[in-house]
Amino acid sequence: AQSVTQPDIHITVSEGASLELRCNYSYGATPYLFWYVQSPGQGLQLLLKYFSGDTLVQGIKGFEAEFKRSQSSFNLRKPSVHWSDAAEYFCAVGASSGTYKYIFGTGTRLKVLA
Amino acid sequence: NAGVTQTPKFRVLKTGQSMTLLCAQDMNHEYMYWYRQDPGMGLRLIHYSVGEGTTAKGEVPDGYNVSRLKKQNFLLGLESAAPSQTSVYFCACGRVQETQYFGPGTRLLVL
Repeated sequence: AQSVTQPDIHITVSEGASLELRCNYSYGATPYLFWYVQSPGQGLQLLLKYFSGDTLVQGIKGFEAEFKRSQSSFNLRKPSVHWSDAAEYFCAVGASSGTYKYIFGTGTRLKVLA
Repeated sequence: NAGVTQTPKFRVLKTGQSMTLLCAQDMNHEYMYWYRQDPGMGLRLIHYSVGEGTTAKGEVPDGYNVSRLKKQNFLLGLESAAPSQTSVYFCACGRVQETQYFGPGTRLLVL
């Protein structure tokens, strides 16, 4: 069965520091992988996605993620965090064929210290 | 171009009451989804639709019904609300193989 694990419930970083949010997935075939961000009281916005090809993908707002098949991971990174990045981040896996739905991780809430 | 809209934004129900949440999209997507979001549990799929007139169960369908009579609308119904259905409900459209676009959410409190 598909599953997504985000092991960090909360992360706190200082503004300007680097950031890495972890995501591990379980899926038998090549998955579609996504990172979404949710600001307080808002819906989800797509940061980036991986379908195939280059395993390092660039997204909006200066974020990037690297797909590592051997580790079943798709970690999100940003070299320098801004206060406006404080939000909740969700990793999601989509089936590559057959089913039509995502499986979301439980989310990581990011706090940024000034 | 409004994208995905949800009505209402917030609602308080008493146990046993019924209500319908409306999702509307102007993006011409075939696929539409209803999720619920609860603290520490991420988003869980309630029901989804792959086209007008079709619906299917997701991960947590019990206590909910849906209808997709028009391509642009996806309705989520609660026939007899329970406190366990207190949640934030999100509608989305778009294919898994591409991107899902989310509405702003509906906050539901069941007393």
